[in-house]
Amino acid sequence: AQRVTQPEKLLSVFKGAPVELKCNYSYSGSPELFWYVQYSRQRLQLLLRHISRESIKGFTADLNKGETSFHLKKPFAQEEDSAMYYCALTLTGNQFYFGTGTSLTVIP
Amino acid sequence: KAGVTQTPRYLIKTRGQQVTLSCSPISGHRSVSWYQQTPGQGLQFLFEYFSETQRNKGNFPGRFSGRQFSNSRSEMNVSTLELGDSALYLCASSADGMGTEAFFGQGTRLTVV
Repeated sequence: AQRVTQPEKLLSVFKGAPVELKCNYSYSGSPELFWYVQYSRQRLQLLLRHISRESIKGFTADLNKGETSFHLKKPFAQEEDSAMYYCALTLTGNQFYFGTGTSLTVIP
Repeated sequence: KAGVTQTPRYLIKTRGQQVTLSCSPISGHRSVSWYQQTPGQGLQFLFEYFSETQRNKGNFPGRFSGRQFSNSRSEMNVSTLELGDSALYLCASSADGMGTEAFFGQGTRLTVV
């Protein structure tokens, strides 16, 4: 079965410090991988996806097929980055498998 | 462009009743998927509809069903409600449903008492 694991439920970093949110997946094929974010009182929204290889709000994520990981990184955390982050994969259609999420708090 | 709209936002139902939730996707989107979000299980996929046909289905009992209309609006029905069905139900729409960005609604908070 496909599975997405986010080992950290809570993560706190100081403003300006680097941040890495971990995501591992179990699937032998080539899934599409995404990071979704939910800011306080807002709906879940796409942050970035591996296929587009872009940096959004300073965040990047590299797909490591050998380690089956898709960690999210930002070199300098900002207070507005405080949110809930979900790693997700899709194999087909609009069917996403989500991790349990990591709540990031950036301390001023 | 209007976002994904879910109605109602909040619902309180009694065990044994049934409930219907509605989702209006972004105009032009043909794929609508539904998710159940709970503190214990996180976000779990229920099913996906594309052009009025159920294309994918998650591991939920048959009490959970859905449909999609010709205008892409979708409804989800839960029959014989159980206390464990209390959750936030999210729907998401996407343009062609093939791994493209999914846009989520605000969700319907269902409480079963």
